[in-house]
Amino acid sequence: DSGVTQTPKHLITATGQRVTLRCSPRSGDLSVYWYQQSLDQGLQFLIQYYNGEERAKGNILERFSAQQFPDLHSELNLSSLELGDSALYFCASSVDPDSYQPQHFGDGTRLSIL
Amino acid sequence: GENVEQHPSTLSVQEGDSAVIKCTYSDSASNYFPWYKQELGKRPQLIIDIRSNVGEKKDQRIAVTLNKTAKHFSLHITETQPEDSAVYFCAASEVYKLSFGAGTTVTVRA
Repeated sequence: DSGVTQTPKHLITATGQRVTLRCSPRSGDLSVYWYQQSLDQGLQFLIQYYNGEERAKGNILERFSAQQFPDLHSELNLSSLELGDSALYFCASSVDPDSYQPQHFGDGTRLSIL
Repeated sequence: GENVEQHPSTLSVQEGDSAVIKCTYSDSASNYFPWYKQELGKRPQLIIDIRSNVGEKKDQRIAVTLNKTAKHFSLHITETQPEDSAVYFCAASEVYKLSFGAGTTVTVRA
């Protein structure tokens, strides 16, 4: 158990819909990262938050957004869903992004678009 | 941005033999290089990491080497066992974010 909690584990929805994925970081970690892993693909960095503020953006679509709340949990919102958005979405957390502390991953949310 | 290339994409080894995975990176400012192991349907798990001020690091059967001049780093697994079968990802840190390689599927044949 990494200490990073992601909910839900599975999500099935239809094209055009909107979903919210939730992540609670490890106790003491201030930084949260979101990654997308499509079938047979590597890990694509989406976005990072540190202590409530956006720190870095990767290949995140405009239809996607995220935020980190005062209690440090984070939510990733995906809207106008397309078939190609079907993927495993991972959240990771670390203590401090500036000191190159390891990122610890949650178990992921598997999103299936029908 | 950082670009990480990983080779080979698949690797099949006989149990007990060694496995070597190589990665190159493009951004000379990258200072942190972790390796993750991902079993089918599970989360990536950190197995070893190295910082730029170190050339080599070892943890039991796993070792990582870093050549900053050539901008490449490698993962070495010795005495491979069936439980080493998984997908391995290398990554390089560009200050705030990790850029991952495409992964290497390692199969250990009994």
